[in-house]
Amino acid sequence: AQSVTQPDIHITVSEGASLELRCNYSYGATPYLFWYVQSPGQGLQLLLKYFSGDTLVQGIKGFEAEFKRSQSSFNLRKPSVHWSDAAEYFCAVGAKEYGNKLVFGAGTILRVKS
Amino acid sequence: ETGVTQSPTHLIKTRGQQVTLRCSSQSGHNTVSWYQQALGQGPQFIFQYYREEENGRGNFPPRFSGLQFPNYSSELNVNALELDDSALYLCASSLGGGTLNSPLHFGNGTRLTVT
Repeated sequence: AQSVTQPDIHITVSEGASLELRCNYSYGATPYLFWYVQSPGQGLQLLLKYFSGDTLVQGIKGFEAEFKRSQSSFNLRKPSVHWSDAAEYFCAVGAKEYGNKLVFGAGTILRVKS
Repeated sequence: ETGVTQSPTHLIKTRGQQVTLRCSSQSGHNTVSWYQQALGQGPQFIFQYYREEENGRGNFPPRFSGLQFPNYSSELNVNALELDDSALYLCASSLGGGTLNSPLHFGNGTRLTVT
């Protein structure tokens, strides 16, 4: 069965500092990997996704993620965090063998201090 | 382009009651997925509708049911509400009966509280 682990429940970074949010997945086949962001009172917005090709994926808002098959990881990064990046971030995995569902991690809440 | 809209935004129900949540998909999208997000957790897949048929279901009991209409809007119905059904219910639309190749566009959700 698919599963997604986001080890950090909360992360606090200073504005302008770099950011890395961790995501590990458990899955036997070729996964489709996603990062979503959720601001308070809002739905989820897709930041980026990976299925194949270049393992470094660029997304919106200056985010990128790197797929590492050997580590079953898909960590999200941003070189310089802005106060508006404060939100909750969710990693998700899907696969054709499991139909049309995405399995989400429990999320990481990002706080940005000025 | 009209995004995904959900109604109502908030709802309070009593245990044992029934509830209907509504979703209008983004313009041009023919597929609707429903997710339940309990407090402090990630969203969990309930089911997906494509061409008015259920097109995949997660581990939710039969008292969770849905409909999709010819205009691609959708309803989520929950019977015999339990306290654990309290959650944010998210609707997401996409294209072509898929999720993996067509990005999900989420609405802002309906917050259901069961007392």
